[in-house]
Amino acid sequence: GQQVQQSPASLVLQEGENAELQCNFSTSLNSMQWFYQRPGGSLVSLFYNPSGTKHSGRLTSTTVIKERRSSLHISSSQTTDSGTYLCASDSGYNKLTFGKGTVLLVSP
Amino acid sequence: DAGVTQTPRHEVAEKGQTIILKCEPVSGHNDLFWYRQTKIQGLELLSYFRSKSLMEDGGAFKDRFKAEMLNSSFSTLKIQPTEPKDSAVYLCASSFPGGPYEQYFGPGTRLTVL
Repeated sequence: GQQVQQSPASLVLQEGENAELQCNFSTSLNSMQWFYQRPGGSLVSLFYNPSGTKHSGRLTSTTVIKERRSSLHISSSQTTDSGTYLCASDSGYNKLTFGKGTVLLVSP
Repeated sequence: DAGVTQTPRHEVAEKGQTIILKCEPVSGHNDLFWYRQTKIQGLELLSYFRSKSLMEDGGAFKDRFKAEMLNSSFSTLKIQPTEPKDSAVYLCASSFPGGPYEQYFGPGTRLTVL
């Protein structure tokens, strides 16, 4: 089955720095999604990104289907960006396989 | 529009008890998913329904876990009997079957089994 590798596992930034989170998939995928989760909170969808580049405020998601990878770029990080970022792939039948997540801590 | 709702938000059960978790998907969404999240295993799919038909029964979770879609706007997840290793957050998600297949998650139910 599909395996999803996320990197880095954790990241510490100073406020204002940029972050680049990566996801690599073991098999071909139809689409993928990026989620954000606060401790004790639910998953908030950031991007549904089958391919190409999408922007939302300070966030940019880029998915390259043929290379089986996706990235999430956070520019000018803020303390409120702290939390866990999860990527998930849909390799068919609308079933998501999740990575283990990147834990981001942004300090003031 | 209301998002995915889940009740209860917290549940504490004694080992051996039966518990029922509830989920209401986003209105108009016909795909419904149950996931379990733990620190060690991360997010695991338990069940997947499309238009009330069970598409995925979660393999290893079959024996004590049963999800049902009673109608297009209500689903339950029954765990019987509960074991301490079932302590986790149970998340429900829904999506529109015609695409895009973006999944929307509810707030989750935190289950503690003593």
